[in-house]
Amino acid sequence: QQQVKQSPQSLIVQKGGIPIINCAYENTAFDYFPWYQQFPGKGPALLIAIRPDVSEKKEGRFTISFNKSAKQFSLHIMDSQPGDSATYFCAASSAASGSRLTFGEGTQLTVNP
Amino acid sequence: DAMVIQNPRYQVTQFGKPVTLSCSQTLNHNVMYWYQQKSSQAPKLLFHYYDKDFNNEADTPDNFQSRRPNTSFCFLDIRSPGLGDAAMYLCATSRDIQFDTQYFGPGTRLTVL
Repeated sequence: QQQVKQSPQSLIVQKGGIPIINCAYENTAFDYFPWYQQFPGKGPALLIAIRPDVSEKKEGRFTISFNKSAKQFSLHIMDSQPGDSATYFCAASSAASGSRLTFGEGTQLTVNP
Repeated sequence: DAMVIQNPRYQVTQFGKPVTLSCSQTLNHNVMYWYQQKSSQAPKLLFHYYDKDFNNEADTPDNFQSRRPNTSFCFLDIRSPGLGDAAMYLCATSRDIQFDTQYFGPGTRLTVL
């Protein structure tokens, strides 16, 4: 019940395309859903996060869509660029677990020029 | 400006030889975390400190220990490294426990020979 399932495992798009990464969870106590971006040899960095009281959040070219009833959330990257090539992790946490993040398995995104 | 600093970036040790990894932060955050990340996997939380309070994850092996002598520094000690402990070790910090952004360091790549 603590798992967060992420798909796809890898994704290749052309520059300007809109990659979509999906995550699903079971634990209804989860109430904080961040996305982290990780470049090779670097630590993950927070990209964008959402709470379940909203269905969508946009920050620049990055959008999170959240479907509470389906227990799913997704990351959309508009006008993707080669510099967006990285591994993306969704995560979830709950008030009960404090700051303990449950990470998805990760998606390796490649944006071709 | 570096906010979460990890030393060394690369560490090679021998099977069974104790090793210590270091993390320091300039953010004055209350919480410090240690994660283990194996190749193509999500980060796995080992333990965290909230100020001086130590919180161990239930499945963290006894072989892994941690010390936080002051707010700025946290150490990960691996008492008897095995081949399965080869991984990237990530330190992260957050201001508080709930729903707060975790800031990751660049990681230490540990190789066990």
